[in-house]
Amino acid sequence: SQTIHQWPATLVQPVGSPLSLECTVEGTSNPNLYWYRQAAGRGLQLLFYSVGIGQISSEVPQNLSASRPQDRQFILSSKKLLLSDSGFYLCAWSLGLAGVGTDTQYFGPGTRLTVL
Amino acid sequence: AQSVTQPDIHITVSEGASLELRCNYSYGATPYLFWYVQSPGQGLQLLLKYFSGDTLVQGIKGFEAEFKRSQSSFNLRKPSVHWSDAAEYFCAVGPNANAGKSTFGDGTTLTVKP
Repeated sequence: SQTIHQWPATLVQPVGSPLSLECTVEGTSNPNLYWYRQAAGRGLQLLFYSVGIGQISSEVPQNLSASRPQDRQFILSSKKLLLSDSGFYLCAWSLGLAGVGTDTQYFGPGTRLTVL
Repeated sequence: AQSVTQPDIHITVSEGASLELRCNYSYGATPYLFWYVQSPGQGLQLLLKYFSGDTLVQGIKGFEAEFKRSQSSFNLRKPSVHWSDAAEYFCAVGPNANAGKSTFGDGTTLTVKP
């Protein structure tokens, strides 16, 4: 069966510090991968998605970047965190078969980031 | 462009009462529709999905949803709510044909009174 891991679960970082959040998927190959941010009391905002290694699409201009160094690894990064980067970050995967009707997304447990 | 509206930010129901959470969507073709649930501090879990066929979809935990094309709606229902159903619920529409990404609504928070 497939599983998705995110770490760390919680993180407190000072403004201006770097960030690296990691997401890995097990039990599937060539998944589509996604990073979402959920601000307090708000819905989900899609930040990045990837359909393959090294292929990253950015949905909104921001202080963050994403990379996919391996097929089932998705990393969210920042060189200098802002206060507004605080939130709950969710990684998700779906089968990489767009148009076949299999695009249910499966979410990781999330990372709670607090920038002080 | 696709979009999702969940008109109710917060709903409170008594345990044992029926529940309906509203979802309206905008999409240029036959949509794929999803409902997810998020418990506090957790990731999202899929409740049910609609791709085609029968417009009444059964999901986990006793939930169902009905796709109504004429109303561009996909409302979530449960006949009798349990205290453990208290959570945030997200409706989503998609996918984009190129990448499979869905658009999520802003969510509805459900509070269950004893």
